[in-house]
Parts: sequence; C-alpha cells; structure tokens
Amino acid sequence: GAVVSQHPSWVICKSGTSVKIECRSLDFQATTMFWYRQFPKQSLMLMATSNEGSKATYEQGVEKDKFLINHASLTLSTLTVTSAHPEDSSFYICSATPPEISYNEQFFGPGTRLTVL
Amino acid sequence: GQNIDQPTEMTATEGAIVQINCTYQTSGFNGLFWYQQHAGEAPTFLSYNVLDGLEEKGRFSSFLSRSKGYSYLLLKELQMKDSASYLCAVIGSNYQLIWGAGTKLIIKP
Repeated sequence: GAVVSQHPSWVICKSGTSVKIECRSLDFQATTMFWYRQFPKQSLMLMATSNEGSKATYEQGVEKDKFLINHASLTLSTLTVTSAHPEDSSFYICSATPPEISYNEQFFGPGTRLTVL
Repeated sequence: GQNIDQPTEMTATEGAIVQINCTYQTSGFNGLFWYQQHAGEAPTFLSYNVLDGLEEKGRFSSFLSRSKGYSYLLLKELQMKDSASYLCAVIGSNYQLIWGAGTKLIIKP
C-alpha cells in the first residue's frame, strides 16, 4: 500500500511556457501532500505543503505566483510551473503520508524531471 | 538555526560494512528517518528512530542518541546495488521534515 504516482515522469519545454505536474495518492486519501525540488547532487528542498481544500503553505523564498499548487481532491495535487525558465530545470518530487501511519513517514512519487530550454 | 550534517561521500568495498553518520541541531525532535535515493529516482524509506538505541532491519541498522543529536546508518554485507545516496531527515518541532544534504555511497568490487 501507500503508492504515490506522478505525471509526467519527464518534460521538456520552451522558456516562457507553463508546465503542470500531477501527484496522485493511489490507495489512500491524503489531506496533505508535499512538493520538493532537488537540484543535481543536492538534497531535497521543500517548496510547499499542499492542503486539500485550502491554500498551500509555501516555504520561504518560493514564489507562490510562479509555483501554483492546487489540491482539489483527497487524492490529487498539482504543481504548475508558470512561465518556466532554464533555472527552473530540476527534479520535482511530491510525497504524502497515509493517515493510518502515526509517525511522519512520507511516501514519495517517482519524481518529474523538468528541462526548460 | 536548524542544521543536519552528513558526510558528502563515502567509499566502501563490496561485502564490507559501512557506517554513515548524521548529526543534527534542530529546534525540536519528533523522530529521525533514513532514506535511500538512487540517482534519478525518488527517495525510499529505510528506517525510523524516535527512541534511543539500535533498530535492526536485515542488513541495515539505524542508531539514535537524542542527547548527542546523533544517528548512524549501518550497512552490512554491502552489495553493488547499495550504491546510492543516503538521506538523514529529522522531524522538527512543527512536524516538518528537515533534510540533510545526503551521503553518496560508492561501492567498489
């Protein structure tokens, strides 16, 4: 159990376009999902906490108008990178914790590799 | 501030034992995770420690000392597939995960 999927696995886009990444919890409901970004040879950086039915909570330094998060249902959160630029190229990973797990273990999606030309 | 320190890179030999250390200074503590991450893939869960002591799970063991702000991950009978980055993460006072930069483990035949 506790499977998280992401789509797409990888995407290449032109500078200035917007890209939407989907994160789904396949066998559990997730009121909270997390979005991370990871640059090569660096650790995970938490971008924002996505809350079902309410606004996302963004970490300091993350532009909420550039990284739009929508958590419209208990199994789906989306991250839209608006007006993407080459510096936004990165590995984007989402995670979620099933409600039956008492401690904070996060289950990660497989990640989305974004390349902006 | 909050800080988690791990060695950047370690090298070990197939069949041997390696210990990856993690020290932390955080405003609160509600547990510590170790995750394994192969290149280009998402992290996968290895262990969770919230009480002092050693947790053993097959070839992998994790140790925690809360008074020292210290944990280690012990890998025995190393296999080539263990070549990966190992991430230490602490659950802070607000229940958010604070991630270390990861330790890249290189296994040589």
